Amino acid sequence: GQQVMQIPQYQHVQEGEDFTTYCNSSTTLSNIQWYKQRPGGHPVFLIQLVKSGEVKKQKRLTFQFGEAKKNSSLHITATQTTDVGTYFCAGPQAGTALIFGKGTTLSVSS
Amino acid sequence: GAVVSQHPSWVICKSGTSVKIECRSLDFQATTMFWYRQFPKQSLMLMATSNEGSKATYEQGVEKDKFLINHASLTLSTLTVTSAHPEDSSFYICSAPRDPSTDTQYFGPGTRLTVL
Repeated sequence: GQQVMQIPQYQHVQEGEDFTTYCNSSTTLSNIQWYKQRPGGHPVFLIQLVKSGEVKKQKRLTFQFGEAKKNSSLHITATQTTDVGTYFCAGPQAGTALIFGKGTTLSVSS
Repeated sequence: GAVVSQHPSWVICKSGTSVKIECRSLDFQATTMFWYRQFPKQSLMLMATSNEGSKATYEQGVEKDKFLINHASLTLSTLTVTSAHPEDSSFYICSAPRDPSTDTQYFGPGTRLTVL
């Protein structure tokens, strides 16, 4: 069945360092979404990418959707302690339900 | 902006009892809602799709008689864990589509269930 894989599972950085998480789908996606879940919290929508090769930026966050629409990445420049959390990529399966990657948990030390 | 609420936020119950979790869309209607389960430090696993006015659609391996879903109105879906056992302890999260034309979701704050 459809799978969405994410690496790395964990990443620890010093504040100010950059961070990247990678997402790969076993099938072509109509779109890819990114969510952030803070410790003890629930997933919060960050962004949706729809077009092949699309790149979107939100302040220090840069999101890319691969040309084949099977992979994506999230890059954070100059991490801050507020960036701590688990970042999930997700792609649509049947209907509007989402299949989630396993997530990348980011920890930042100051 | 639109918000999804869940109640209760946490619940502790004894084995064999049933627990009902409510998911409400605030300020918007949701003909479809989704129920996920999340184990500690793991990803969200879709359990079922709740459909207003019709039966829920369950994912493979999810027992529909154990996890009863009722989409009572355009703003309310309930998940009832029947005859709960310790292995049912988990974080249950519901979501509703942000926009019918997209697949993006608003997530509820989640319900942490502990079965003793």
